[in-house]
Amino acid sequence: DAKTTQPPSMDCAEGRAANLPCNHSTISGNEYVYWYRQIHSQGPQYIIHGLKNNETNEMASLIITEDRKSSTLILPHATLRDTAVYYCIVRVDLRTNAGKSTFGDGTTLTVKP
Amino acid sequence: NAGVMQNPRHLVRRRGQEARLRCSPMKGHSHVYWYRQLPEEGLKFMVYLQKENIIDESGMPKERFSAEFPKEGPSILRIQQVVRGDSAAYFCASSPGTGRGRANVLTFGAGSRLTVL
Repeated sequence: DAKTTQPPSMDCAEGRAANLPCNHSTISGNEYVYWYRQIHSQGPQYIIHGLKNNETNEMASLIITEDRKSSTLILPHATLRDTAVYYCIVRVDLRTNAGKSTFGDGTTLTVKP
Repeated sequence: NAGVMQNPRHLVRRRGQEARLRCSPMKGHSHVYWYRQLPEEGLKFMVYLQKENIIDESGMPKERFSAEFPKEGPSILRIQQVVRGDSAAYFCASSPGTGRGRANVLTFGAGSRLTVL
């Protein structure tokens, strides 16, 4: 699975959009980008994933660059409850290749009032 | 539709005792993963199992730790002769293993917090 690079920390004002970047320059054609978050002491929570098209769900939007070497998770209206560690993971999504997802250090997002 | 259920949520053991952590995956999920998170550290993969099979145990310590996922019942993570360094949060996750783009989406439990005195 390709390596990812994320900034260690970011701040965001409450009510504003939070844009969390992830670099995955070695991504291969069949690897998906997944985002999870972990609110303090809780179990990690899946947010969104994508292959090459931009994706949106009730939690967030995922923007993947055309060359797929980087992506941005967007929380459109951040709240204090969005303060968490956000993890970007790249891995192949094949039934025959199911296996571990490796969590790096992630980005600690702090939403401030 | 219950999510991933882990128990106990909190477990206290004295050095040398055994700890057993249980995980029931989401309904319809046949893949189970265990992760460990030491205080102030990140999530570390331990083991990946399917029913009655250990698929990848590359993150498991060589001694004292074992995992199983029997045909019936929850997955069990067993730690024998616990030491203080085993104090951590242990998270279980499950995935469906099928479905284009969703085969490996992980759903995590709330975790089991082990404290070794």
